[in-house]
Amino acid sequence: AQSVTQPDIHITVSEGASLELRCNYSYGATPYLFWYVQSPGQGLQLLLKYFSGDTLVQGIKGFEAEFKRSQSSFNLRKPSVHWSDAAEYFCAVGARLQGAQKLVFGQGTRLTINP
Amino acid sequence: DGGITQSPKYLFRKEGQNVTLSCEQNLNHDAMYWYRQDPGQGLRLIYYSQIVNDFQKGDIAEGYSVSREKKESFPLTVTSAQKNPTAFYLCASRVVFTGANVLTFGAGSRLTVL
Repeated sequence: AQSVTQPDIHITVSEGASLELRCNYSYGATPYLFWYVQSPGQGLQLLLKYFSGDTLVQGIKGFEAEFKRSQSSFNLRKPSVHWSDAAEYFCAVGARLQGAQKLVFGQGTRLTINP
Repeated sequence: DGGITQSPKYLFRKEGQNVTLSCEQNLNHDAMYWYRQDPGQGLRLIYYSQIVNDFQKGDIAEGYSVSREKKESFPLTVTSAQKNPTAFYLCASRVVFTGANVLTFGAGSRLTVL
């Protein structure tokens, strides 16, 4: 079965520091991979997606992610975080269920920014 | 602006009552989804619908029901059979890029059972 693991439940970084959020997936075929961000009490916003091609993908708000097939990973990075990046981040893999596409989500990583 | 509207934002329910959460989209998307979010558990799929008048159970459908009478609307009913209904509920719809899902989410509805 498809699954996504985000090993870090909570990460704290200082404003201006670099950030890397880890994501590992399990899926038999070539995966479709996503990162979403959620502010408290809000819905999820798509940061970036990987379907094929270049393994380094750029997203909104200065985020990027790298797909590494050999490690089954899709880690999210940002060179310098801003206080407004404090939120919860979800990695997801696109899977096929009963002939339809669905997303399987990781448990999320909550990001706190120290001033 | 196109998007997904969920209502109400907050809802309180007494034990034994059914409640219905509304989800409306004006994105002309064919597929719609309901997810449940609990702290530390990510999002779990309740039901999804790919076309009007058709829907399928997700991973945690017990105690929930849905309907899809119109393309724009996908309401979720939380029945009294749902033993632990307090949660944050998210509705989403799908646009397809090269065969893959890209979900657009609503702002969510928080249900609290008193």
